[in-house]
Amino acid sequence: SQQGEEDPQALSIQEGENATMNCSYKTSINNLQWYRQNSGRGLVHLILIRSNEREKHSGRLRVTLDTSKKSSSLLITASRAADTASYFCATDRANAGKSTFGDGTTLTVKP
Amino acid sequence: DTGVSQDPRHKITKRGQNVTFRCDPISEHNRLYWYRQTLGQGPEFLTYFQNEAQLEKSRLLSDRFSAERPKGSFSTLEIQRTEQGDSAMYLCASSHFSNSLAANYGYTFGSGTRLTVV
Repeated sequence: SQQGEEDPQALSIQEGENATMNCSYKTSINNLQWYRQNSGRGLVHLILIRSNEREKHSGRLRVTLDTSKKSSSLLITASRAADTASYFCATDRANAGKSTFGDGTTLTVKP
Repeated sequence: DTGVSQDPRHKITKRGQNVTFRCDPISEHNRLYWYRQTLGQGPEFLTYFQNEAQLEKSRLLSDRFSAERPKGSFSTLEIQRTEQGDSAMYLCASSHFSNSLAANYGYTFGSGTRLTVV
């Protein structure tokens, strides 16, 4: 089974609004990453947050990590139509060697 | 370096045929990964290499699948006797893994190879 689960599965908002996606996972991790995937393309790495970090920012992206709740959130502020994509969280467990992905949140930003 | 390259972008094959995909990673990266993704799902891990050594294979990787990374450079993924259930996007990614820190720095993915088995 997948380690991470994103919520909601789908999200539709108007341009300019903020979008929040959540990721829950089951076991202890070394780090958590968020990726974006446009339809039919490969995934693009957005941000990596380590287990000893609580919050990271990159441009309009803000990621939080709560290891006690085994959850993370991705906030996209002032969304644009170009942000329309699927967003995946991925976790690295200690000594696992590879990242395990959830099934993603599909974000639609309406112009 | 232009990122991770995968070839071909699309492959249509008849059931029972063999197919081979190629991945050229970022040259400075020491790890290379293969994932498979079907519509509406997240990527599923298949296998990964550190330099030329194949360190892990998923149970999803049946004996019809084989991956190689000769000399720690490009990698190939071969599927023998393809089945319709093999139809998927096959994604390659590379990353720099720090052995001293035991830490990954995030993947760079290629655009994928979409396989359709008819």
